[in-house]
Amino acid sequence: ETGVTQSPTHLIKTRGQQVTLRCSSQSGHNTVSWYQQALGQGPQFIFQYYREEENGRGNFPPRFSGLQFPNYSSELNVNALELDDSALYLCASSPSSGANVLTFGAGSRLTVL
Amino acid sequence: GQQLNQSPQSMFIQEGEDVSMNCTSSSIFNTWLWYKQEPGEGPVLLIALYKAGELTSNGRLTAQFGITRKDSFLNISASIPSDVGIYFCAGPPSGTYKYIFGTGTRLKVLA
Repeated sequence: ETGVTQSPTHLIKTRGQQVTLRCSSQSGHNTVSWYQQALGQGPQFIFQYYREEENGRGNFPPRFSGLQFPNYSSELNVNALELDDSALYLCASSPSSGANVLTFGAGSRLTVL
Repeated sequence: GQQLNQSPQSMFIQEGEDVSMNCTSSSIFNTWLWYKQEPGEGPVLLIALYKAGELTSNGRLTAQFGITRKDSFLNISASIPSDVGIYFCAGPPSGTYKYIFGTGTRLKVLA
């Protein structure tokens, strides 16, 4: 059973640029959630994808968007990057869209200069 | 964003000591999860709780789902150096599936 994998592991961008982060869900999981973890903080819910549609969203602006593909993998896109977007972005998969245990990937560390 | 309150924020303990930490919320939760995160890694699930009053163990770890459904507790017995990390509580407030995470308890174990 493969776990959740994320890419890239680290990246550096400048303000105003756009970034795409990728996530492959754990085998057998059809729901993917994205979290932002700022340094020294707990993860903050960005949104969840189920059956290729956004299924719920946290308090993040529209420049944070995502996709889920038929194989349940997912992308997180962030446009017009700001310095405060610097964080660890975590992807978590779960067996369904309800209240289930989340399995996390190792994250993508984004630095915005 | 909304977060759960965890205490203590950090702990420095001697190897072999027991550790207790707790998590409180202003909302009712139907599920409580406890995760551990080490540097450069994503959170790893330790224990999941699904019922008020439930007490669940995983090796040296024991967690409880508070009777009020607004709190949870995690205990680690006989700590060892590899227990070092940040411990997070998490769960979806009742009626939602948007998981909220605590502020974390940073644990350091002195050999």
